[in-house]
Amino acid sequence: KQEVTQIPAALSVPEGENLVLNCSFTDSAIYNLQWFRQDPGKGLTSLLLIQSSQREQTSGRLNASLDKSSGRSTLYIAASQPGDSATYLCAVKPNTGTASKLTFGTGTRLQVTL
Amino acid sequence: ETGVTQTPRHLVMGMTNKKSLKCEQHLGHNAMYWYKQSAKKPLELMFVYSLEERVENNSVPSRFSPECPNSSHLFLHLHTLQPEDSALYLCASSQEALGEKLFFGSGTQLSVL
Repeated sequence: KQEVTQIPAALSVPEGENLVLNCSFTDSAIYNLQWFRQDPGKGLTSLLLIQSSQREQTSGRLNASLDKSSGRSTLYIAASQPGDSATYLCAVKPNTGTASKLTFGTGTRLQVTL
Repeated sequence: ETGVTQTPRHLVMGMTNKKSLKCEQHLGHNAMYWYKQSAKKPLELMFVYSLEERVENNSVPSRFSPECPNSSHLFLHLHTLQPEDSALYLCASSQEALGEKLFFGSGTQLSVL
């Protein structure tokens, strides 16, 4: 059974800092990995999707990397801003099955302070 | 807006009530999902409809009943719920054949008294 772990559970950084969020998964037979952002009481917004054959994806100040063999992904946020404050979740999709049976981590709650 | 709309945003119901959650997607996707998000727990997939196939998680109690009348609409019918069913219920959609991103609605915050 796939398990996804995100460390740390919570993180507070001053504005302008670069930071890294970690995601690890136990079964490397994945199809892709997604990073999501969730604001309090809201749904999830997909930030980046990395296919299993890819090493990284970039969007603006965000860069996600994937090391499938070691079961790890990182989300790098450059020059953090207060608007980046949210919970960040990663989710992996298995190789098998026709439906997106994603396995989610419990998330890292990020607070960027002024 | 993500193109996935959920109503209502908030719902308070008693244990004997019957209510329904509604989800509509305007993205032309062919797969739709119900997820449950409880405090300090990972999102749990409840149901998925993909390419006309319904995939049911056997651990979901029968007091939750999904309905997918067409590829754009998804319902979750609720009856005789328990207080522990209080959670954020999220609907999502995707273009499953391409294994593309999941797009989520804003969710329904459900409180069962």
